[in-house]
Amino acid sequence: DTGVSQDPRHKITKRGQNVTFRCDPISEHNRLYWYRQTLGQGPEFLTYFQNEAQLEKSRLLSDRFSAERPKGSFSTLEIQRTEQGDSAMYLCASSSRQKVVAFFGQGTRLTVV
Amino acid sequence: GENVEQHPSTLSVQEGDSAVIKCTYSDSASNYFPWYKQELGKGPQLIIDIRSNVGEKKDQRIAVTLNKTAKHFSLHITETQPEDSAVYFCAASRNYGGSQGNLIFGKGTKLSVKP
Repeated sequence: DTGVSQDPRHKITKRGQNVTFRCDPISEHNRLYWYRQTLGQGPEFLTYFQNEAQLEKSRLLSDRFSAERPKGSFSTLEIQRTEQGDSAMYLCASSSRQKVVAFFGQGTRLTVV
Repeated sequence: GENVEQHPSTLSVQEGDSAVIKCTYSDSASNYFPWYKQELGKGPQLIIDIRSNVGEKKDQRIAVTLNKTAKHFSLHITETQPEDSAVYFCAASRNYGGSQGNLIFGKGTKLSVKP
C-alpha cells in the first residue's frame, strides 16, 4: 500500500497525559499537512510542512501542540497535557509540489477521558 | 478568513436518482475546489476537483460546476447507487500552484441512497 499511513488508528488517553501520532506520507510527496476533524464537522487545517520546514501553523494549534518532520519524510504530532476538548480525528495528508491535490490517511482517533 | 458553506447537511435519494450538493466560498482569491467522500471510520478520499479557470468538469457519474462570479460550486452525482452513501465534503484553497495549499472545508453532506 503506497498511500498515506497513520499510526496509531485509535488512542485513548487520560486527561493530562501526552500523546504522539505518526504520519508516513506518500513517498514522493514533499508536502505534508495535519488536520483535525470533530464529529459532524469538516477537517480543520492545523499545520503544513514542505520538506522538513514547517511553513504554516493555524491558530488552532495551541502551545500544547507540536509537529515535526525532521528528515522531510514522516511527521509526528505531539499533544502535551491533553484535554477532553482534544478528542477528535487527527488526519494527515500529503501532496507533491506539482499538484496541490491532497491525499489523506485513515486518521488517528483520539479519545481523552 | 476564508469560509466555505455547504448545503444540504443531509440528503436522501432513491437509487438511480441524481444528487446535488452546493457550496459557497467567501475568498474571491480561491482557485482550487476539490470534493472528498468520507466513509465511516476512514479518511476523506478525493473524488473530483476543479480549478478556477474551468467552469465544469465531469468524471463518469460525477460532475462539478463552478461559478466564480457567484462564488459557488456544486457536485452532481447521477444514477446514484447505494455505495455512493457517505459524507461528502467540499473544500476551497487559494494557493493552487503556490507554496501552500491548505484546504478550507465545508461541514459536509451526509448522502443516503435508498435501494
